[in-house]
Amino acid sequence: DQQVKQNSPSLSVQEGRISILNCDYTNSMFDYFLWYKKYPAEGPTFLISISSIKDKNEDGRFTVFLNKSAKHLSLHIVPSQPGDSAVYFCAARGGDDMRFGAGTRLTVKP
Amino acid sequence: KAGVTQTPRYLIKTRGQQVTLSCSPISGHRSVSWYQQTPGQGLQFLFEYFSETQRNKGNFPGRFSGRQFSNSRSEMNVSTLELGDSALYLCASSLYRGKNYGYTFGSGTRLTVV
Repeated sequence: DQQVKQNSPSLSVQEGRISILNCDYTNSMFDYFLWYKKYPAEGPTFLISISSIKDKNEDGRFTVFLNKSAKHLSLHIVPSQPGDSAVYFCAARGGDDMRFGAGTRLTVKP
Repeated sequence: KAGVTQTPRYLIKTRGQQVTLSCSPISGHRSVSWYQQTPGQGLQFLFEYFSETQRNKGNFPGRFSGRQFSNSRSEMNVSTLELGDSALYLCASSLYRGKNYGYTFGSGTRLTVV
């Protein structure tokens, strides 16, 4: 059951430009959302999160936006750097349940 | 402090065999969750253990099982392996359960079934 969807399997951007990764969810019980970043041969690492009581959370170059009515969240990376090239997973929690999307592979070109 | 340790890192098994994967959480972490990662499917939740009890289970067949020991270390077992079980199996630990406690993932065990 794909309760969390990342419809873009890949994204390519130029260094210095903005990267926007999108995520949609279907379960209205989800109330906490996270983004994880994964390099090859490593486990995912936590990047940034947002509670459903907020619509924006910012941490340095990373900003997550939440649109509850649309059940949509996005991760903005500004400016993008080659080291940001990785697979990004969005995750949603409702109670004790955490579900992940399929991931988006971001490539930042120098 | 040491991170989440998964062993082995790589494993090749034949169809019909069974396999046991191990996960040692961060010291002090009591919650351990297991995920299966396959291309196109992302991270699929398998199960979560807390205080030696399975607290939550994903939509996987009964061939997939797990357990947690008193020191919070966890194992997952897959019996009667199928080709489709080839995947990266990730373990994540958390201090407690609940949304405000972040997960720390291990590097995973890459299982190949031939």
